[in-house]
Amino acid sequence: SQTIHQWPATLVQPVGSPLSLECTVEGTSNPNLYWYRQAAGRGLQLLFYSVGIGQISSEVPQNLSASRPQDRQFILSSKKLLLSDSGFYLCAWRQEGSSYNSPLHFGNGTRLTVT
Amino acid sequence: AQSVAQPEDQVNVAEGNPLTVKCTYSVSGNPYLFWYVQYPNRGLQFLLKYITGDNLVKGSYGFEAEFNKSQTSFHLKKPSALVSDSALYFCAVRDYSGNTGKLIFGQGTTLQVKP
Repeated sequence: SQTIHQWPATLVQPVGSPLSLECTVEGTSNPNLYWYRQAAGRGLQLLFYSVGIGQISSEVPQNLSASRPQDRQFILSSKKLLLSDSGFYLCAWRQEGSSYNSPLHFGNGTRLTVT
Repeated sequence: AQSVAQPEDQVNVAEGNPLTVKCTYSVSGNPYLFWYVQYPNRGLQFLLKYITGDNLVKGSYGFEAEFNKSQTSFHLKKPSALVSDSALYFCAVRDYSGNTGKLIFGQGTTLQVKP
């Protein structure tokens, strides 16, 4: 069966420090991968998505970047964190090429607090 | 552009009573609709989806949802609420643009079930 892992679960970082959040998916190949951010425990905003290795699309301009160095690995990064980067970051996947009725499957998230 | 709205920030019900969490949608084509549940500091769990066919869709944990095309609604329901159902619920619609497979989420509704 497929599983998705995110780490770390929680992170406290000072303003101006770098960031690296990792997400990996097991049990599938060539998944579509997504990074969402949830602010204040409410709505989710799509930050990045990837349909293949090295293919990253950004949904909103921001201080963050994403990379996909391997088929089932998705990394969210920042060179210098801002206070506004605080939030709950969720990675998700779906099977590439699957029909429109396939749901996204989410990891357990990373709570980032920038101080 | 696709969108969903969840008009209620919070829904309060007594244990054993039926519950309804409301969702309305706006799409330019056939709607592909989803419900997710989120427990504190966790990722989103898929509950159910509507693609086509029966307007009443059954999902996990005894939840069901009723699709109403004329009212553009997809309300989540359960005949008898449990205290353990207390959580944050999200309605989502699949975005057709660019074949990304991404989901667009509502702002979420907090369900509080009291003993």
